[in-house]
Amino acid sequence: EVQLVESGGDLVQPGGSLRLSCAASAFTFSTYWMSWVRQAPGKGLEWVANIKEDGSDKYYVDSVKGRFTISRDNAKNSLYLQMSSLRAEDTAVYYCARNLKTTVTTFDFDLWGQGTLVTVSS
Amino acid sequence: EIVLTQSPATLSLSPGERATLSCRASQSVSSYLGWYQQKPGQAPRLLIYDASNRATGIPARFSGSGSGTDFTLTISSLEPEDFAVYYCQQRSSWPITFGQGTRLEIK
Repeated sequence: EVQLVESGGDLVQPGGSLRLSCAASAFTFSTYWMSWVRQAPGKGLEWVANIKEDGSDKYYVDSVKGRFTISRDNAKNSLYLQMSSLRAEDTAVYYCARNLKTTVTTFDFDLWGQGTLVTVSS
Repeated sequence: EIVLTQSPATLSLSPGERATLSCRASQSVSSYLGWYQQKPGQAPRLLIYDASNRATGIPARFSGSGSGTDFTLTISSLEPEDFAVYYCQQRSSWPITFGQGTRLEIK
């Protein structure tokens, strides 16, 4: 089954760090841009970061630049999000998402994981 | 940053009725606009990309239109499973942004 499975969400204190993982299966992971999108409790969706197929290009929303790092391991079919200097406003469900590929890669998201909850609180 | 404003915030309709959801961009996004459906406790699902293209497996009752700054998602005849929150999303420029959502509820 084509799927994405996130893990690593937890309760962490402000200023702390956390690493999220996303395991991809049943598709050629190395040929897709991948993304993280988050959703604060009861709120809307916020794109967080994107990474190119080979990891050579990365983009971030301003609010996480310098604190979060997106990476991937194509040999392990895995996507990661290293989060540091965490703030209360980073509290959210974090979704791993695959970028839609038609004749070219787009920045729409056609496959999503179930999400992993990150809670930043003392 | 491009701001997407969705209206109405809540839409109350009955099964079988036609739903029309709006998304307005603060500046032109050309046709680089998508629509997602999200049900409680679930991840979003891509419905429409590039303003009017249905994603794989999406029923024909869902259609999208518009370009530039004004976009519409239409559900021609509501099924019980269509009651959910709908988000628009632009990919015209960084950062990628989403609208605040329209809640489609059963009347």
